[in-house]
Amino acid sequence: AQSVTQLDSQVPVFEEAPVELRCNYSSSVSVYLFWYVQYPNQGLQLLLKYLSGSTLVKGINGFEAEFNKSQTSFHLRKPSVHISDTAEYFCAVSDPISNDYKLSFGAGTTVTVRA
Amino acid sequence: SQTIHQWPATLVQPVGSPLSLECTVEGTSNPNLYWYRQAAGRGLQLLFYSVGIGQISSEVPQNLSASRPQDRQFILSSKKLLLSDSGFYLCAWSVGLANTGELFFGEGSRLTVL
Repeated sequence: AQSVTQLDSQVPVFEEAPVELRCNYSSSVSVYLFWYVQYPNQGLQLLLKYLSGSTLVKGINGFEAEFNKSQTSFHLRKPSVHISDTAEYFCAVSDPISNDYKLSFGAGTTVTVRA
Repeated sequence: SQTIHQWPATLVQPVGSPLSLECTVEGTSNPNLYWYRQAAGRGLQLLFYSVGIGQISSEVPQNLSASRPQDRQFILSSKKLLLSDSGFYLCAWSVGLANTGELFFGEGSRLTVL
């Protein structure tokens, strides 16, 4: 089964500064990759996903992520954050070959944006 | 379009009392359904998933059970709650065919056991 490591548990950042959230997954021939955002007391919302094709994936709210197969990484970036980006972010991976219908989630990264 | 609803949104229950959380999906057929739990300050733990009516797989041994009486209905239950059952419970669904693993989540139910 796939596993996911989010290297930073908490990331404080100032408003309008860039942010990068790091995600690495265990090696596999092929993977599907996802980033989700969770605002306080809410469910998870999909930010972006990589299924195939271009390794640079653009998502909602100005976020993007780059799939790097050689480094087994899928880091999330935003060039300029807003206060409203304060939330918890989860990286997740599924293995299309195993066909077991389940996502493996990282432990999450809490982003706190300060004015 | 597809929507997912779960309720109640907030629940405070005494230790030893029963639990029932309900989740329904609209706008799709034959979805895979999931129950996750988030304990305070921790990540997502998959509790149960279902690929069809009456088909339930349990990921971890625990005090909870799940049922799927209808195609788009998923229920999480307990006969006697423990303090450790407190947490934020999330229902989710994914497509049954051509599944990429992408999940669509409900709004969550916060359970506090006292």
